[in-house]
Amino acid sequence: AQTVTQSQPEMSVQEAETVTLSCTYDTSESDYYLFWYKQPPSRQMILVIRQEAYKQQNATENRFSVNFQKAAKSFSLKISDSQLGDAAMYFCAYRSRRGGGADGLTFGKGTHLIIQP
Amino acid sequence: NAGVTQTPKFQVLKTGQSMTLQCAQDMNHNSMYWYRQDPGMGLRLIYYSASEGTTDKGEVPNGYNVSRLNKREFSLRLESAAPSQTSVYFCASRGPNEQFFGPGTRLTVL
Repeated sequence: AQTVTQSQPEMSVQEAETVTLSCTYDTSESDYYLFWYKQPPSRQMILVIRQEAYKQQNATENRFSVNFQKAAKSFSLKISDSQLGDAAMYFCAYRSRRGGGADGLTFGKGTHLIIQP
Repeated sequence: NAGVTQTPKFQVLKTGQSMTLQCAQDMNHNSMYWYRQDPGMGLRLIYYSASEGTTDKGEVPNGYNVSRLNKREFSLRLESAAPSQTSVYFCASRGPNEQFFGPGTRLTVL
């Protein structure tokens, strides 16, 4: 079974600075997806960024980018120019492509990101 | 286009009571999921349905049953609620690139 580990229960960053959230995962598969989800206090789950394992290029979405290291099984999220609205829980998640990938996401325990004004 | 909807948003039960959480999606997705989220934890998969008429157990299925009523609807039933089932429950459906989540149901079992 796959596991996802987020080793930082809480991170704090000054507004406008850059912060990196860590994620490692364990799998024996070679073809999969990785995701970062944001959960604000409203508890709505919002997709931040998605990475396909077979793509070497790191995914980027505006101020959000990832550092995907497949051999090291590491998938960190970098948030540039942090804004107050970025404050939330961030979850790293894994999905297999085996069997069409219908068997759901495996989540880490999350990192609580605090933005200091 | 409402996405994924869940009812109810909040529920309080007594130990031993039963209830069904409802979920519907209007995006014509084949795959649907039920997760639970406990304090300090990420979401954990309870059951999923890869297509209409099929369901499979996830990581934490004990104490739950599901029904994929049609392509749109996927319900989660607690037959005899226990305090350990106090949690926030999320339904999701899967599109080509991501899972779309409902707003969640906060369930408390006393």
